Amino acid sequence: EPEVTQTPSHQVTQMGQEVILRCVPISNHLYFYWYRQILGQKVEFLVSFYNNEISEKSEIFDDQFSVERPDGSNFTLKIRSTKLEDSAMYFCAGDRDRGQGEQFFGPGTRLTVL
Amino acid sequence: LAKTTQPISMDSYEGQEVNITCSHNNIATNDYITWYQQFPSQGPRFIIQGYKTKVTNEVASLFIPADRKSSTLSLPRVSLSDTAVYYCLVGNAGNNRKLIWGLGTSLAVNP
Repeated sequence: EPEVTQTPSHQVTQMGQEVILRCVPISNHLYFYWYRQILGQKVEFLVSFYNNEISEKSEIFDDQFSVERPDGSNFTLKIRSTKLEDSAMYFCAGDRDRGQGEQFFGPGTRLTVL
Repeated sequence: LAKTTQPISMDSYEGQEVNITCSHNNIATNDYITWYQQFPSQGPRFIIQGYKTKVTNEVASLFIPADRKSSTLSLPRVSLSDTAVYYCLVGNAGNNRKLIWGLGTSLAVNP
């Protein structure tokens, strides 16, 4: 069964550094998402991406964040200048065109900002 | 997007049937009800989705009454490995595909 993969599984960085989190979605998916989950808290929507552009973003997704699908397979989330409060699990997800909420999640990247 | 309310936690024992109820009083006509499971430090995993009446798959059943203002996820004969957080989400595709998450129900299955 195809799976969403994410790399790295754990990223430790210093405050102010740039990080790029990578995801390889399932090949026949058309819609892609990034979510994050701070330890012990809710899963929070960051951004959705379709047809090579952002379709929706949350207020968390400010100018420090960007997403890209550079080569038709990878889907990346970049945080330009990390802050302590960016420490969280970041999940990539995707779904097929039929929608209605069945999204397939990756295993996540744990980002620790020191 | 309709708000959902579910119990914060539940306890059960191996072999029992577990029913987790979610209320969604403001569900819209074209909203679907979807349940996800999440283990610690893992991504959420889709369990089941329905619109009305009853849906069953190899993992669970979902019961939705006629007014659709609530739904019940039923896990038959739980095992220790079913210990997880279960989330009820309500929404539709349309132009708004994001999933809005609550705190979910933390299910502990005891031996």
